[in-house]
Amino acid sequence: GQQLNQSPQSMFIQEGEDVSMNCTSSSIFNTWLWYKQDPGEGPVLLIALYKAGELTSNGRLTAQFGITRKDSFLNISASIPSDVGIYFCAGHSKTSYDKVIFGPGTSLSVIP
Amino acid sequence: DAGITQSPRHKVTETGTPVTLRCHQTENHRYMYWYRQDPGHGLRLIHYSYGVKDTDKGEVSDGYSVSRSKTEDFLLTLESATSSQTSVYFCASTGGPDNEQFFGPGTRLTVL
Repeated sequence: GQQLNQSPQSMFIQEGEDVSMNCTSSSIFNTWLWYKQDPGEGPVLLIALYKAGELTSNGRLTAQFGITRKDSFLNISASIPSDVGIYFCAGHSKTSYDKVIFGPGTSLSVIP
Repeated sequence: DAGITQSPRHKVTETGTPVTLRCHQTENHRYMYWYRQDPGHGLRLIHYSYGVKDTDKGEVSDGYSVSRSKTEDFLLTLESATSSQTSVYFCASTGGPDNEQFFGPGTRLTVL
């Protein structure tokens, strides 16, 4: 089936540092979504991207829809302890409009 | 946040027994989804529904069945649970396939 790859798999950073993570696919995606999951809870949508090249911000978070439509990245600036969690990229591929495909996640740990 | 609940939140059962998980949403969302989450795999789609009595398979549907007799309820059934079905199960709903998916809090299932 279709797969998304996320890197890095895990990150340990100091509070205040910027974070960058990315997501790639072998096939074209029509939407890119970034979710965050806190321990013991369900994922929550952070940012949605609908157009190639689109750059969208949500507070300290910025995400971009890659020009090739096969990748996306998420940046977090000035990390804080509550940024800890698992970040998932997800999206609708060109061939499966009604299903969202999720990446394996990037685990972020922030050291105070 | 969308009103979406799951029951039970935790369940321990034995191999070979039937198990039903319930998802309930109060947003009148047309689409509902069942995912399982396992380390290293992210969220994998089991089954989804695009309306009452309308369901379709996801990427890991073997050993699972679903039913949707009312808009607000989506049931996931393991006819004969196996240890490989030990996982955390998340339900999600959305008003449309392009819209944000709202996730429930998850059900932790252990099959001994």
